[in-house]
Amino acid sequence: DAEITQSPRHKITETGRQVTLACHQTWNHNNMFWYRQDLGHGLRLIHYSYGVHDTNKGEVSDGYSVSRSNTEDLPLTLESAASSQTSVYFCASSESAGDQDEQFFGPGTRLTVL
Amino acid sequence: KQEVTQIPAALSVPEGENLVLNCSFTDSAIYNLQWFRQDPGKGLTSLLLIQSSQREQTSGRLNASLDKSSGRSTLYIAASQPGDSATYLCALPNQGGKLIFGQGTELSVKP
Repeated sequence: DAEITQSPRHKITETGRQVTLACHQTWNHNNMFWYRQDLGHGLRLIHYSYGVHDTNKGEVSDGYSVSRSNTEDLPLTLESAASSQTSVYFCASSESAGDQDEQFFGPGTRLTVL
Repeated sequence: KQEVTQIPAALSVPEGENLVLNCSFTDSAIYNLQWFRQDPGKGLTSLLLIQSSQREQTSGRLNASLDKSSGRSTLYIAASQPGDSATYLCALPNQGGKLIFGQGTELSVKP
């Protein structure tokens, strides 16, 4: 069955370190998204991609970057981790650029920045 | 700018009760609306997707309705069970499919 996987599931890092969170989907979806979930703020969009070599900034993109070198993967990089980036991160995908498509989510990565 | 609100933030009901979760949105020019379930410490599971041209969708004991003119969607859960306990989120895509989420309703079904 097609799915979205995220790794690691849990990560503890120190302030200032570079961290990369992996997202891999086997749906062959063009659209991929990264969200973060925080108490009091709900889910907010960080970055998104509509296809290979396409990347776009979302609502809370400062301090994050993504790259899309193939259809299956959209890694999220924290260039210099900050305590404010402690959160749960979710990757999602949908089929096409159309607005009618159902979005599917991965299991999440819980990141703690000390 | 689209804003999504879910009331109540938390709901506790006895097992077997039928219940309704509410989702309201400010911009009626929507493409679709998606309901998700999230268990503690887990990811989001898609429950139902209602296209903008539809009035409702059903899956098992779940029925979601959509009224664009009033900016409202409801998720009806029939004969609730303790296994239904979770947080329920509604979300709408803006242009390009980027989801805007409500804050969620935390449901507890007591045996």
